[in-house]
Amino acid sequence: QSVLTQPPSVSGAPGQRVTISCTGSSSNIGATYDVHWYQQLPGTAPKLLIYGDSNRPSGVPDRFSGSKSGTSASLAITGLQVDDEADYYCQSYDSSLSGWVFGGGTKLTVL
Amino acid sequence: QVQLQESGPGLVKASETLSLICDVSGDSIDNYYYAWIRQAPGKGLEWIAYIYYSGTNINPSLKSRVSASVDRSKKHFSLTLFSVTSADTAVYYCAARHSPNHRGPLVFWGQGTLVAVSS
Repeated sequence: QSVLTQPPSVSGAPGQRVTISCTGSSSNIGATYDVHWYQQLPGTAPKLLIYGDSNRPSGVPDRFSGSKSGTSASLAITGLQVDDEADYYCQSYDSSLSGWVFGGGTKLTVL
Repeated sequence: QVQLQESGPGLVKASETLSLICDVSGDSIDNYYYAWIRQAPGKGLEWIAYIYYSGTNINPSLKSRVSASVDRSKKHFSLTLFSVTSADTAVYYCAARHSPNHRGPLVFWGQGTLVAVSS
């Protein structure tokens, strides 16, 4: 059971918009600790997708966006492409655990 | 930018010690803070340890069995995991970040090394 809760899977058709939620608590996301998102393509290492809740590293398309409100964060992907099929993970810091926490991951399927 | 390359034994016997090395190249080792993350087969990401400005933070669930350190002269970051069990079978990633505190994202990742624990 992960401290940060993500839906196990989401899906969408090419060109559509999907969102992936990441629900935490008052000791992590709700305590205003930054949320980061990683994309893991099949058989590869994770890649930083969004940092500091809503910032995109250089090279990440603006189709990817992040937001945070209260004890939850979200990753939105617009204009879905087949190449977006991957696992997505959120990550933050938890003051009660005194360490990092990851979401359980969400598998995105592009139909 | 920095490149990271993990190396390790691939196979370890249960109850023995796992030692991994992450070689750092492409930039000064002093410019980054390092972490170990693992992923059991078919499972999610789990942080093992990370360096921050005033020390090393180790996942409480692993604290009694983990040691992690940076060897700047050898330009590598190491992980030692004692008394391994089958639950330690995973792909082990090293990662690097710019931020010295707990908040910064993992910007750079190694390709990962698979470690299997045999009984």
